[in-house]
Amino acid sequence: GAVVSQHPSWVICKSGTSVKIECRSLDFQATTMFWYRQFPKQSLMLMATSNEGSKATYEQGVEKDKFLINHASLTLSTLTVTSAHPEDSSFYICSARGTGSTDTQYFGPGTRLTVL
Amino acid sequence: GENVEQHPSTLSVQEGDSAVIKCTYSDSASNYFPWYKQELGKGPQLIIDIRSNVGEKKDQRIAVTLNKTAKHFSLHITETQPEDSAVYFCAASISSASKIIFGSGTRLSIRP
Repeated sequence: GAVVSQHPSWVICKSGTSVKIECRSLDFQATTMFWYRQFPKQSLMLMATSNEGSKATYEQGVEKDKFLINHASLTLSTLTVTSAHPEDSSFYICSARGTGSTDTQYFGPGTRLTVL
Repeated sequence: GENVEQHPSTLSVQEGDSAVIKCTYSDSASNYFPWYKQELGKGPQLIIDIRSNVGEKKDQRIAVTLNKTAKHFSLHITETQPEDSAVYFCAASISSASKIIFGSGTRLSIRP
């Protein structure tokens, strides 16, 4: 139980285009979802926290207009990287938290974004 | 805010030996401490967690200890196996519902 999926697993796009990444909790309802960014050989950096039906809370230094987060249902959150540039290339990981027995963060497999 | 420090950054042990990874945290309000294992190209996987009302927790070959007074916690892996090779992250949080602050990671290699 407590499986989180991400789609796509990897994406290559041209500079200036937008990319959407989906995060789904497959077997539980996620009241809160978190989005992280991870550079090679570094730790995970929290970008934002989103609660279902509410606006996301962004960490300091993260541009909310650049990284659009939508948490429209209890099983789906999306991260859209708008007008992507090469410096946005990274490994993006989501996590989902449920309630009761799933009241902890379960991480997705990550999405590798490469911007050319 | 919370700051989590993790040591060592790399660790190589002989298969069958034990591995120990240590972390310290700064915020005395933190009371939830998960440990994650991340394999190359994958997301972190929760392997064990401990809450502040417990000093030690064990799950087969993995154990975690917590010293709230000193604000440090450790991961112990016994009888290491090749499949234990990965990057391990410690983390701290005020609760399992709050945002998690990660340590810098330890790359564990198991020598055959």
